[in-house]
Amino acid sequence: DTGVSQDPRHKITKRGQNVTFRCDPISEHNRLYWYRQTLGQGPEFLTYFQNEAQLEKSRLLSDRFSAERPKGSFSTLEIQRTEQGDSAMYLCASVLQETQYFGPGTRLLVL
Amino acid sequence: GDSVTQMEGPVTLSEEAFLTINCTYTATGYPSLFWYVQYPGEGLQLLLKATKADDKGSNKGFEATYRKETTSFHLEKGSVQVSDSAVYFCALSVPPTGNQFYFGTGTSLTVIP
Repeated sequence: DTGVSQDPRHKITKRGQNVTFRCDPISEHNRLYWYRQTLGQGPEFLTYFQNEAQLEKSRLLSDRFSAERPKGSFSTLEIQRTEQGDSAMYLCASVLQETQYFGPGTRLLVL
Repeated sequence: GDSVTQMEGPVTLSEEAFLTINCTYTATGYPSLFWYVQYPGEGLQLLLKATKADDKGSNKGFEATYRKETTSFHLEKGSVQVSDSAVYFCALSVPPTGNQFYFGTGTSLTVIP
């Protein structure tokens, strides 16, 4: 257990529905990252926060995706109008001194 | 752009065999380099890291040396155990702020008794 938690661990939804995932990082870490991981691939960077500021977003993050980190604590990742191609594992990591501490991930299946 | 290329898997070894998993990188500047491990049913966790050329990271019997001249960070272990069965990811962070992280595709290792 790294100290980073994610909720839910699994989510099955129908195409077109909206989903929201939550990440609770290690409290003293001010950087938080979201990644997407598909089968047989490494994590792909989506976005990251420095405290409450979203500083960088990947081209992978279409306008259907939005992330927030109110008050610089937990973060949420929302996917609107889900598509089957969104099916993946969504990982959160909090960072201290370039070391990433990953949560267990949320596995999303879009039917 | 910045990227990491990892040895294709899967790799199957007998217990006590020598392990090498190759990793090469492309990066501007001088990145920090990492190996992460994902055991079955668990999240990724840091195995070792090196932040500058010629540094050697080590942990749990695993080692990797940051080779700037060959842009490599190969993972090695002298004698693998069944408990080392996992997926191993090479990664780098990009200077100067280290805010972007790039991961390889992962190499699955199975160690048989």
